[in-house]
Amino acid sequence: EVQLVESGGGLVQPGGSLRLSCAASGFTFSSYWMSWVRQAPGKGLEWVANIKQDGSEKYYVDSVKGRFTISRDNAKNSLYLQMNSLRAEDTAVYYCAKSPRACSGGSCYSNWGQGTLVTVSS
Amino acid sequence: EVVMTQSPATLSVSPGERATLSCRASQSVSSNLAWYQQKPGQAPRLLIYGASTRATGIPARFSGSGSGTEFTLTISSLQSEDFAVYYCQQYNNWPLTFGGGTKVEIK
Repeated sequence: EVQLVESGGGLVQPGGSLRLSCAASGFTFSSYWMSWVRQAPGKGLEWVANIKQDGSEKYYVDSVKGRFTISRDNAKNSLYLQMNSLRAEDTAVYYCAKSPRACSGGSCYSNWGQGTLVTVSS
Repeated sequence: EVVMTQSPATLSVSPGERATLSCRASQSVSSNLAWYQQKPGQAPRLLIYGASTRATGIPARFSGSGSGTEFTLTISSLQSEDFAVYYCQQYNNWPLTFGGGTKVEIK
């Protein structure tokens, strides 16, 4: 059974940093694109970032470029999101997501974690 | 950026009735469209990808259609567990974008 477990969320002041982690199990992690998707409280879904199986390709939504970095450690079956220069508008539940093979480039999501809440506030 | 517009924002349907949800893209996304269901406090669940292919384990009462800019998700006979928010998502262009969602509520 595929399991994705996020951690690392919490309360941080504007301008601060946070690192999210996602522990994956139940599948061959190194064979799949992985992604982060977020959802602000009471709002819709927003794709944040994607990373290729070997980490050689990464894509970001414009609003986080230069501030967030997606990475992975295939030996540890883990996905990460380093978030710097956080803003109030980054407040959201952050989901780790896995793409099925049918959606190339990590473009749609068949498995999701339970999410971790990031709150940016002074 | 491809803007995805879903309608209606809220759909009131009685159990057993058919529900038809619409999703429109601001430019063609071919058939690179997915639908998700989300219940309160839960992560989204993939229902449909490739505009019309049901994901693993999704009941046959869910069907997707369309291509280009106009897409439809149909739930043929609503069950109690189907009352939720539904999102469409295009994956033809970067950035990947979602619609604002349609809430299906009990009439």
